Amino acid sequence: GENVEQHPSTLSVQEGDSAVIKCTYSDSASNYFPWYKQELGKRPQLIIDIRSNVGEKKDQRIAVTLNKTAKHFSLHITETQPEDSAVYFCAASPEGLGTGRRALTFGSGTRLQVQP
Amino acid sequence: DVKVTQSSRYLVKRTGEKVFLECVQDMDHENMFWYRQDPGLGLRLIYFSYDVKMKEKGDIPEGYSVSREKKERFSLILESASTNQTSMYLCASSLFRPGDTEAFFGQGTRLTVV
Repeated sequence: GENVEQHPSTLSVQEGDSAVIKCTYSDSASNYFPWYKQELGKRPQLIIDIRSNVGEKKDQRIAVTLNKTAKHFSLHITETQPEDSAVYFCAASPEGLGTGRRALTFGSGTRLQVQP
Repeated sequence: DVKVTQSSRYLVKRTGEKVFLECVQDMDHENMFWYRQDPGLGLRLIYFSYDVKMKEKGDIPEGYSVSREKKERFSLILESASTNQTSMYLCASSLFRPGDTEAFFGQGTRLTVV
């Protein structure tokens, strides 16, 4: 089955700096790669996702890149703010009928701390 | 707004008890999932279901079972609770439509087995 590895496990940056979180996956059938943010005491929520027909996607200060050949994808947060402090999870799954297990496999999470 | 609701926020149960965790979604989603969240281990899939009465094992199904009698409801059952099942349990649901497969999570149930 799918295996997703995520690094680093913790990341501390100064406000205004950039943060990068990296994930690798193992199953070449995976073609959907979402990122979830979980604030303390709250449920995980989708912040951005990418599908394997594109290499990069941006939404304001966050961006995700995908290298399907190398089976890795990354989350980039620019101009970090204290409210970006949270745990971030990457995930992978196939989309479409007959393409494997229809469930997200998550990485182990990255705790991002933005210091004011 | 999609709503996924778990029946309890906190539960304390004794070792050996049978425990039911309930999850209801209101968006007619085909897929429903149960994950377990532990520090440093991320979210691990216990079971999932893509249709009524259908279920598939995830990565850590041992000690758990599930029930999906209605499309909107997915129950996780701990047949005989053990202390190593103390954890945060998260339910999620999604469509299975390419391009529209975002998973929506419930608020979580923190289960303590004593």
